[in-house]
Amino acid sequence: ELKVEQNPLFLSMQEGKNYTIYCNYSTTSDRLYWYRQDPGKSLESLFVLLSNGAVKQEGRLMASLDTKARLSTLHITAAVHDLSATYFCAVDKGSSNYQLIWGAGTKLIIKP
Amino acid sequence: GAVVSQHPSWVICKSGTSVKIECRSLDFQATTMFWYRQFPKQSLMLMATSNEGSKATYEQGVEKDKFLINHASLTLSTLTVTSAHPEDSSFYICSARWGITQYFGPGTRLTVL
Repeated sequence: ELKVEQNPLFLSMQEGKNYTIYCNYSTTSDRLYWYRQDPGKSLESLFVLLSNGAVKQEGRLMASLDTKARLSTLHITAAVHDLSATYFCAVDKGSSNYQLIWGAGTKLIIKP
Repeated sequence: GAVVSQHPSWVICKSGTSVKIECRSLDFQATTMFWYRQFPKQSLMLMATSNEGSKATYEQGVEKDKFLINHASLTLSTLTVTSAHPEDSSFYICSARWGITQYFGPGTRLTVL
């Protein structure tokens, strides 16, 4: 059974600092996704990682994938308050419908 | 591109009534739509997967007779919560798949009194 674990589950950090969120999954998968959710809102797609060694960057966020280690990271560089949100990783189950298995989410609070 | 709408955004109903939630992909045709439920401060729980023109596939533990899903077209799926009870109160989110990515609607907050 595919399981997805994120850590930390909660992260409070100062503006300007760097930090990394980790996403481990238990079995082989072809695709890994990162989403952002603001309080009371729906989810916004951030990154789709498709292959070993894939790295994608958007602004202060950079996501990477190591399929051998079954690990993805979401790195935040020089954090700003606007990045405060809950971040989810999700892994493709391998079904024909592209169903996803979700991590528990990391609530990120960035203090001025 | 890849915009998904959901209606209503919030609804309050009395126990025993039924509530219908609509999910529409506005600028693309979605082969597959998903319905999720999210409890406060928790992750998403997949309820069901629906493909246009066929019966929805429900996850284990989700009552298909209580949560009726209709995927009438490539741009519309509906979730009907039948005979709602307070324990059905939750945030319901739909997503529509375009290519390999799911795009999410804004969610519907259901409160059952």
